Amino acid sequence: GAGVSQSPRYKVTKRGQDVALRCDPISGHVSLYWYRQALGQGPEFLTYFNYEAQQDKSGLPNDRFSAERPEGSISTLTIQRTEQRDSAMYRCASSPTGQRTEAFFGQGTRLTVV
Amino acid sequence: SQQGEEDPQALSIQEGENATMNCSYKTSINNLQWYRQNSGRGLVHLILIRSNEREKHSGRLRVTLDTSKKSSSLLITASRAADTASYFCATGASKDTGRRALTFGSGTRLQVQP
Repeated sequence: GAGVSQSPRYKVTKRGQDVALRCDPISGHVSLYWYRQALGQGPEFLTYFNYEAQQDKSGLPNDRFSAERPEGSISTLTIQRTEQRDSAMYRCASSPTGQRTEAFFGQGTRLTVV
Repeated sequence: SQQGEEDPQALSIQEGENATMNCSYKTSINNLQWYRQNSGRGLVHLILIRSNEREKHSGRLRVTLDTSKKSSSLLITASRAADTASYFCATGASKDTGRRALTFGSGTRLQVQP
């Protein structure tokens, strides 16, 4: 596609449910990032892939959060047993060759846990 | 945790005036990038400056980098109402921490009054 695509755009889920957020990066981009952004704050790093390899997952808050990019393209961020504090905007970005170049961001998925 | 810290947190100016935002960071970097975000939308890359560069220009934008002080500034000249947005600095390739994903600051909210 022309840009980074995230789906769904909005997700409302009940506490305790699992959710899966999808990111479709720009075709050919090597690196893919997941960030979480609270209102009025900057994006907070969650995890990062080069191709299919998860290079850094140090930003994942706890073991309820996981991510994969099995074929080096589309990525899924999964949150198990959601809690209200997980409510935030989740943003995905991709870049051609890592953090030495600009990152292109998707529009994000607004997750609300009720 | 966030690497960069922008200053000021909020800035309000009149159309036609210049706007200056500052960013300080803590660790060694390979590059520093500035992004803009309009009203909670996706982030848009503005400019990238490498650690061996001191100043860079792009249209009405001027970025400086002082690696000895671990700081950067973004100057927007002849501001327009359309420049109203949040501006974030992001650092890449922290040699100290090994993180290779962009780490964002908390942002400066710029309001340009028509």
